Amino acid sequence: DAGITQSPRYKITETGRQVTLMCHQTWSHSYMFWYRQDLGHGLRLIYYSAAADITDKGEVPDGYVVSRSKTENFPLTLESATRSQTSVYFCAGSAAFTGELFFGEGSRLTVL
Amino acid sequence: DQQVKQNSPSLSVQEGRISILNCDYTNSMFDYFLWYKKYPAEGPTFLISISSIKDKNEDGRFTVFLNKSAKHLSLHIVPSQPGDSAVYFCAAISSGSARQLTFGSGTQLTVLP
Repeated sequence: DAGITQSPRYKITETGRQVTLMCHQTWSHSYMFWYRQDLGHGLRLIYYSAAADITDKGEVPDGYVVSRSKTENFPLTLESATRSQTSVYFCAGSAAFTGELFFGEGSRLTVL
Repeated sequence: DQQVKQNSPSLSVQEGRISILNCDYTNSMFDYFLWYKKYPAEGPTFLISISSIKDKNEDGRFTVFLNKSAKHLSLHIVPSQPGDSAVYFCAAISSGSARQLTFGSGTQLTVLP
């Protein structure tokens, strides 16, 4: 039971390039989330989705785009990557918004 | 402005002793609090939670205490084990329509054998 699967696990890209981080769940969680983890900041919410075709901004949405055409997938796209977007990105899911999230293993992105 | 603060980036304790991890918050609308544990190269995992109507919640070796008047919560681990070495994140949810989970910056706990 993989739960939340993220790909790629590691990615190096250059400034200005478009990058998409994939998130797939094997469960049927209604809620899905994207967080970024940076030293000194903990985990900050980028975007979340309450259901298919419903998405909303979190604390740090600028420079990111999400979509949720299917319940099981929640890709995160950096349309034009910047060095400040170098981070570890975590996708998470939750059946109901109780705060108890199930996280994927993370995607480490480096923007040169 | 961080609404959830973990002022100690790191903590070291001896195996068998008590570990106390602290967390302060500023938003009085927070009504549910959680602790997550994170090992290197893994995603965070939920550990324990507490509602604002309680002041204590216990689960095995883990106890969370909430002091609403001080806007402070703490996680106690007794006895500490080497496998508890991880980063611990405090998190909070605010009441109302804009419910989001806000995390602190984390505390690296090292339990020394």
